[in-house]
Amino acid sequence: QSVLTQPPSVSGAPGQRVTISCTGNNSNIGAGYAVHWYHQLPGTAPKLVIYLTTKRPSGVPDRFSGSKSGTSASLAITGLQAEDEADYYCQSYDSSLRGYVFGTGTKVTVL
Amino acid sequence: EVQLLESGGDLVQPGGSLRLSCAASGFGFSDYGMTWVRQAPGKGLEWVAVIYKEGHITYYADSVKGRFTISRDNSKNTLYLQMNTLRVEDTALYYCVKAQGGRIQDWCFDSWGQGALVTVSS
Repeated sequence: QSVLTQPPSVSGAPGQRVTISCTGNNSNIGAGYAVHWYHQLPGTAPKLVIYLTTKRPSGVPDRFSGSKSGTSASLAITGLQAEDEADYYCQSYDSSLRGYVFGTGTKVTVL
Repeated sequence: EVQLLESGGDLVQPGGSLRLSCAASGFGFSDYGMTWVRQAPGKGLEWVAVIYKEGHITYYADSVKGRFTISRDNSKNTLYLQMNTLRVEDTALYYCVKAQGGRIQDWCFDSWGQGALVTVSS
């Protein structure tokens, strides 16, 4: 059972903005550890889309952005496109577990 | 281009052992920490183990501690995961992943292999 909670699903029409929340506690996100985000297309390996809470790897469009406040983090996708339909996971470090933790995952559907 | 190629996945009986290997290329393998992440069928991602670039520091998820051992051979650019006393719940696709970042607590996982399937069943 993951210590980072995400909504099971979010959806939006093409061109719209969607946000995915990642709720942790004071042993992980609230302790100041970085949050990273990955997306995973069906049948493929995950791919890093946001690192160190707000940074985008080269090649990731600026439609993707990350933020953090308190014990939660968020991934926003603006100008939603069909290719954004995937599963998304947040990831951080937990000092109580002394290891990395992933979120429960969110399926993004483009209507 | 970073390439991570896992091998060694197989069907094994409960209580059995298996060793996964990951051949790395396209980057300075000895300069980076490496991890294993697994994904059970239809489920989310679960971090398994991490190893420092020199290989002398390792950490494990509680679910595998005492049963799994992560190791590396920097002369061969290869990462390993020795899995003992396997359980049905260890059934998953195991990804070899390159880590990136400053302090270990803030590492992200920036390159992933395609995974090796481990099935534990009688």
